[in-house]
Amino acid sequence: GAGVSQSPRYKVAKRGQDVALRCDPISGHVSLFWYQQALGQGPEFLTYFQNEAQLDKSGLPSDRFFAERPEGSVSTLKIQRTQQEDSAVYLCASAVQGVAYTEAFFGQGTRLTVV
Amino acid sequence: TQLLEQSPQFLSIQEGENLTVYCNSSSVFSSLQWYRQEPGEGPVLLVTVVTGGEVKKLKRLTFQFGDARKDSSLHITAAQPGDTGLYLCAPRGGAGSYQLTFGKGTKLSVIP
Repeated sequence: GAGVSQSPRYKVAKRGQDVALRCDPISGHVSLFWYQQALGQGPEFLTYFQNEAQLDKSGLPSDRFFAERPEGSVSTLKIQRTQQEDSAVYLCASAVQGVAYTEAFFGQGTRLTVV
Repeated sequence: TQLLEQSPQFLSIQEGENLTVYCNSSSVFSSLQWYRQEPGEGPVLLVTVVTGGEVKKLKRLTFQFGDARKDSSLHITAAQPGDTGLYLCAPRGGAGSYQLTFGKGTKLSVIP
């Protein structure tokens, strides 16, 4: 595709439910980032992949959050036993390679609402 | 841990006015990027500044990187409603660094 695609765009989950958010990066992009964005705030870093390797998961808020990118392309962010504080927009970004000046391309995000 | 501050947090101005927003830190950056995010969309890159003192212009937007590479500013001349959005700065690391973390942003509203 032409850009980064995320699905679903919107997800409503009952508290305690598990959810899986998908990110299709731009083909050939080595780097992939996940962010959590609360309303009116800047994106908060969650995790970073270089190809299939998860090089940094320091931003994941708890062990209920898990991300994978098994073949170095599509990535999934999984949240287990969702809580109300997990409600946010989850953004995925990809970049050609993990160097300083590379432009990161973002998807439109998945808006998660936990009720 | 680097502290990154963007100011002001909110700004509401009339069409045609000029404005400046700031990005300040206690750390030195190898480079810095500015992104703009519109409602319901992901951030989009506006510019990357690399050299201390560098000034880059993008139509009505002027970006400056501080001499010490610890701060940056974005000046918009004759703001238009299409400039409305969340402006985010993102310090980048050196060669080989994947670092991409954002400030809290400045939410700009330009009123017609």
